[in-house]
Amino acid sequence: QVRLVQSGTEVKKPGASVNLSCKTSGYTFTNYYIVWVRQAPGQGLEWMGIINPSGDITTYGQKFQGRVTMTRDTSTSTVNMELSSLTSDDTAVYYCARGIPSYYYFDYWGQGTLVTVSS
Amino acid sequence: SYDLTQSPSVSVSPGQTTSITCSGYKLGDKYVSWYQQKSGQSPVLVIYQDNKRPSGIPARFSGSNSENTATLTISGTQTMDEADYYCQTWDSTTALYVFGTGTKVTVL
Repeated sequence: QVRLVQSGTEVKKPGASVNLSCKTSGYTFTNYYIVWVRQAPGQGLEWMGIINPSGDITTYGQKFQGRVTMTRDTSTSTVNMELSSLTSDDTAVYYCARGIPSYYYFDYWGQGTLVTVSS
Repeated sequence: SYDLTQSPSVSVSPGQTTSITCSGYKLGDKYVSWYQQKSGQSPVLVIYQDNKRPSGIPARFSGSNSENTATLTISGTQTMDEADYYCQTWDSTTALYVFGTGTKVTVL
């Protein structure tokens, strides 16, 4: 079965970077996109960016341009997401999800990773 | 940027029909998906490509999309349907994805 398993809770200080992982299984890794979505406490879902593992092609949301980097490791079917220059506004649950090429929806989601940014 | 607007909340009695709308410029020209998120859980896809249901999603969930508004309908709403619901689309102009503002459904 399709699974997306995310790395564990992170606590970071302002100005630091965080690196999150999303390990996939149960399907052909290079046939589907991986997206990152975050949700601040009590807020809605916010799309951050997407990576096509087949060609290592990425598209980032305008809000995160210059601060986010998504990479993939085909040997472990894992996608990593680094977010730099953290502020308290980056405190959120971060989700990875599988994206369907050409149809623009996300059918399987990871369990989420809580990132807390605090001095 | 492309925006999707949803009403913040809706209340419904068990067994009634719930309608959740999502508005955006020429939204009918795009594919819309809907996600259900229960408290403390990851989102779950309930509708994709405007009106298709993934395997395992009850038939009481249906969707439509025309002109500037997409609608998620829950027929015979059950207490287990209490959750936040988000619409989502892809904007071809910017090649970016966007989520709606979310609607909290309360089943009284």
